[in-house]
Formats: sequence, C-alpha cells, structure tokens
Amino acid sequence: GAVVSQHPSRVICKSGTSVKIECRSLDFQATTMFWYRQFPKKSLMLMATSNEGSKATYEQGVEKDKFLINHASLTLSTLTVTSAHPEDSSFYICSASKTGGYNEQFFGPGTRLTVL
Amino acid sequence: RKEVEQDPGPFNVPEGATVAFNCTYSNSASQSFFWYRQDCRKEPKLLMSVYSSGNEDGRFTAQLNRASQYISLLIRDSKLSDSATYLCVVKGTGGFKTIFGAGTRLFVKA
Repeated sequence: GAVVSQHPSRVICKSGTSVKIECRSLDFQATTMFWYRQFPKKSLMLMATSNEGSKATYEQGVEKDKFLINHASLTLSTLTVTSAHPEDSSFYICSASKTGGYNEQFFGPGTRLTVL
Repeated sequence: RKEVEQDPGPFNVPEGATVAFNCTYSNSASQSFFWYRQDCRKEPKLLMSVYSSGNEDGRFTAQLNRASQYISLLIRDSKLSDSATYLCVVKGTGGFKTIFGAGTRLFVKA
C-alpha cells in the first residue's frame, strides 16, 4: 500500500498566528501532492497542486500568499496558513499520487485547524 | 451546472438492502473515475476505480456510461459498516484537476 501522514492532526491557534502542516509520503515518492480543504458537510475543495522542486499551482480564489506551499523533497510537502483567522478554521487534507496525479490518490488523515 | 453532481441523500436503508448511487459529470474529456468513501471527520479512502466495462468488488459494483457522462455505485446486502459518505471523483488529463462530488450520505440501520 501507500501511506501518507499528516502532522499535526489537530491544531488550535490564536488569530494572527501562522500554522504549518506537514504532509509526508512514507513508503513512496510523490512528485505531486495535493492540498484540499473541507468544511463541515461539504465536499473537498482542491486548494493547490504541489510539485516537487517547483512552485505550486493554486486554484482560483486561493491566495498563494495566505497559503504557502513548499514541496522540498519527493516525500514532503508543507502548507503554511499565514496570519490565520477564524474563517480559516477547516479540515485540511493532503494527498499524494505515485504517478503524477492521474491515478489513485492516497490521502493523509487530515489536520483539523481551529483558529480562535 | 456543477462539474460533478451527486444526490446528497441521505439514504436510509435497512441492513441487507441494495442501494444505488448516481453521479454525473460535465466534462466529456474526463479520463479516470473513482468512488471514495469518507467516514465522519476522517480522510477519504479509495473504494474502487470505475472502468469502462464496469467492475465489481465483492458487494460493490461500479458502472460507467461515457455517452451519458454518468457513473453509478451499487451496494448489495448493505452492512451497518457501510454507513458513510460516498464521493464520486472525476479526473482528466492535460492539467484537468481532480473534481470531487459533494458526496452521498448513506445510513444503514439494523
């Protein structure tokens, strides 16, 4: 199988602080990782596609300066929510694909962010 | 029109029942299709891929109709553990992103 981990699983922070979420592929190399956000009872919304060694591709409406993505290696991508506000509270999920994204994606367990 | 549409449900069925979910997609260039399952407050997990000829995995059967741009999932002999949200996922090529349906909620009751 393919395992993707996320850290932390849950974070509570004060408004205005920055939060970094790590996504790791544990037993495979992932040239492409995806970051999603999910609000309660809503579908996953793709935020950005992260490619190792290059800039992330952001979806329309997602602020790249607000959600910083770094994909420094084939097994690690990070998402930093800068100057978090209560409206950023959500479930953030990453996924990774072995073959560039056109086949099965393996999801991390998610990070629940609560901004007070 | 949404790119991927699903009936949100919820579907409330007794144990042992057969239940079917439908999903329509708008982009005729879509190449890959999947059904994922998501439990409450958990990440999605792949249930099965959907192949052009249709495919079956135990109690689960997936069908694809490219002409109608329609995907279905049939669950036979429902179990309590089948209670979850089922997500229809559509992908393309050439930069076409992954699109998730909003999900169909299923509750299987004893």
